[in-house]
Amino acid sequence: AQSVTQPDIHITVSEGASLELRCNYSYGATPYLFWYVQSPGQGLQLLLKYFSGDTLVQGIKGFEAEFKRSQSSFNLRKPSVHWSDAAEYFCAVGLSGNTGKLIFGQGTTLQVKP
Amino acid sequence: GAVVSQHPSWVICKSGTSVKIECRSLDFQATTMFWYRQFPKQSLMLMATSNEGSKATYEQGVEKDKFLINHASLTLSTLTVTSAHPEDSSFYICSAPIAGGQKTQYFGPGTRLLVL
Repeated sequence: AQSVTQPDIHITVSEGASLELRCNYSYGATPYLFWYVQSPGQGLQLLLKYFSGDTLVQGIKGFEAEFKRSQSSFNLRKPSVHWSDAAEYFCAVGLSGNTGKLIFGQGTTLQVKP
Repeated sequence: GAVVSQHPSWVICKSGTSVKIECRSLDFQATTMFWYRQFPKQSLMLMATSNEGSKATYEQGVEKDKFLINHASLTLSTLTVTSAHPEDSSFYICSAPIAGGQKTQYFGPGTRLLVL
């Protein structure tokens, strides 16, 4: 069965420090991969996505993610975190067949220390 | 970018009443929309796929008579929680893909439902 795992439920980093949020997926075919960010009480905003091609993808707000097929991972990174990055981050897998369905990971809460 | 709106943003209702939540794609057409449910501090769980002009497709374990979905036009899907109970209290989020491709979903801001 398809699944997405975000091993870190909660991460705290200092402002200006680098960030890496982990995401592992289980899916038989080549997945479509997404990272979304959710601020408290808000909907989800797309940070970046991977469909094919270059395995290092750039997103908004200075985020990037790298698809590693051998590790079934799609980790999100940012070189220098800003206090406004504090939010909930969700990794998601889109199923092939163009259904549009997404399977979400459990989410990682990012706290940024001043 | 694409914009999806939801109305209302929050609603409080009495147990036993029905609540309708609207999801609109503001600047694009969506033949398909998706409804998710999110409990506090948890991830999003897909409830159903809303299909314009046809019946919705529900995920396993979701009561279709409880959560009525109507996709009346290419820009509007509604979710009606019928005979709501306190356990239906949750954050309901809709999403829609850009027409021409299902790969990228754009999410609405969500509707907070509290059933007393």
